[in-house]
Amino acid sequence: DTAVSQTPKYLVTQMGNDKSIKCEQNLGHDTMYWYKQDSKKFLKIMFSYNNKELIINETVPNRFSPKSPDKAHLNLHINSLELGDSAVYFCASSNGRRDEQFFGPGTRLTVL
Amino acid sequence: RKEVEQDPGPFNVPEGATVAFNCTYSNSASQSFFWYRQDCRKEPKLLMSVYSSGNEDGRFTAQLNRASQYISLLIRDSKLSDSATYLCVVNRENSGYALNFGKGTSLLVTP
Repeated sequence: DTAVSQTPKYLVTQMGNDKSIKCEQNLGHDTMYWYKQDSKKFLKIMFSYNNKELIINETVPNRFSPKSPDKAHLNLHINSLELGDSAVYFCASSNGRRDEQFFGPGTRLTVL
Repeated sequence: RKEVEQDPGPFNVPEGATVAFNCTYSNSASQSFFWYRQDCRKEPKLLMSVYSSGNEDGRFTAQLNRASQYISLLIRDSKLSDSATYLCVVNRENSGYALNFGKGTSLLVTP
């Protein structure tokens, strides 16, 4: 029973393409997140949704657009991919803003 | 100043050793503190929450000093399986639902 799942696990694509990453959690949590972990292993918040409402939108290029169709799902669409977008993208969820966050296995994006 | 700062290491210790990691944070309003563990090419997983009074979970002890904005993690009797990156994590109390992660401290336990 996977708590937070992401698809795909690996994504290799060309510059300029548009791609999506999907995330689902079966923990009944109200809050979901997208984090980016770059080549230096630094994990940084990108977006946060609470009950389908956008709460945090960090300084992220508007080529990145999150979508939350319901509170169990948070997808990330990326337009016009650039080399610098290569990273591992983690989805996470929590039951409150001070609670432990549960992470998905990550999506390793490589832009060629 | 970075929001959460850690010594990146690496810390190379023999099995059975005791090792301590330190972390400082800049947001004095933060209310939740954690240590996460991340294995190579895996997702971060919660190791333990950190409470003001300090707390222990088996071989792991976490301490919080709010006045100094300082968090520590002590690992006793290190095992080979403790080899990982340890992430100091602090909630962003003033700006929504997210966590600020330190860059992590790398630990390698050797036979």
